Amino acid sequence: DMKVTQMPRYLIKRMGENVLLECGQDMSHETMYWYRQDPGLGLQLIYISYDVDSNSEGDIPKGYRVSRKKREHFSLILDSAKTNQTSVYFCASSLETNTEVFFGKGTRLTVV
Amino acid sequence: AQSVTQPDARVTVSEGASLQLRCKYSYSATPYLFWYVQYPRQGLQLLLKYYSGDPVVQGVNSFEAEFSKSNSSFHLQKASVHWSDSAVYFCALSMSNYAQGLTFGLGTRVSVFP
Repeated sequence: DMKVTQMPRYLIKRMGENVLLECGQDMSHETMYWYRQDPGLGLQLIYISYDVDSNSEGDIPKGYRVSRKKREHFSLILDSAKTNQTSVYFCASSLETNTEVFFGKGTRLTVV
Repeated sequence: AQSVTQPDARVTVSEGASLQLRCKYSYSATPYLFWYVQYPRQGLQLLLKYYSGDPVVQGVNSFEAEFSKSNSSFHLQKASVHWSDSAVYFCALSMSNYAQGLTFGLGTRVSVFP
């Protein structure tokens, strides 16, 4: 079953705490992504990963970093979370860039 | 820079009626184009995609879209909607000559009433 799995689905953190969002895919896709979705702004690309340890900034990378040590796992890290990072975060993957992108169900992060 | 515009934020339609969702893009070359649907508390699911060739593409659940290079458009259509089609629909673009993920429109929320 082809899927992208995100953990956790819901998360509440205090401002200044570190946040780790995990993502896994079972399709051996090379390319993985992190997006955030906000009302009125749509989906914005945070980071893209072309393979293990081959990551590139997207449109809004400030305040975020990523880690990809295995092809099937891609993590998003927020060091010292801020209230404006409250959002829904989506992980996604594709076989290659420019091919169909598969999305996880999202993690709703609230920073208080 | 590339962009995608979905001019209708909300569309309301009666069950059984036809549906058209508009999408306009801005990109200097021919893009790869996608329509995704998002149901409540879910991720995005692909409805259909256009890479090249026949400008009319068929997708899942009887959706189809038509690419127009002259109009820079990729409109989505369905002949007869069902209440389960209520969702948010996103048009997205991928640059054919540069690998940088998808650029999304802001989405159109579709409400189907019985």
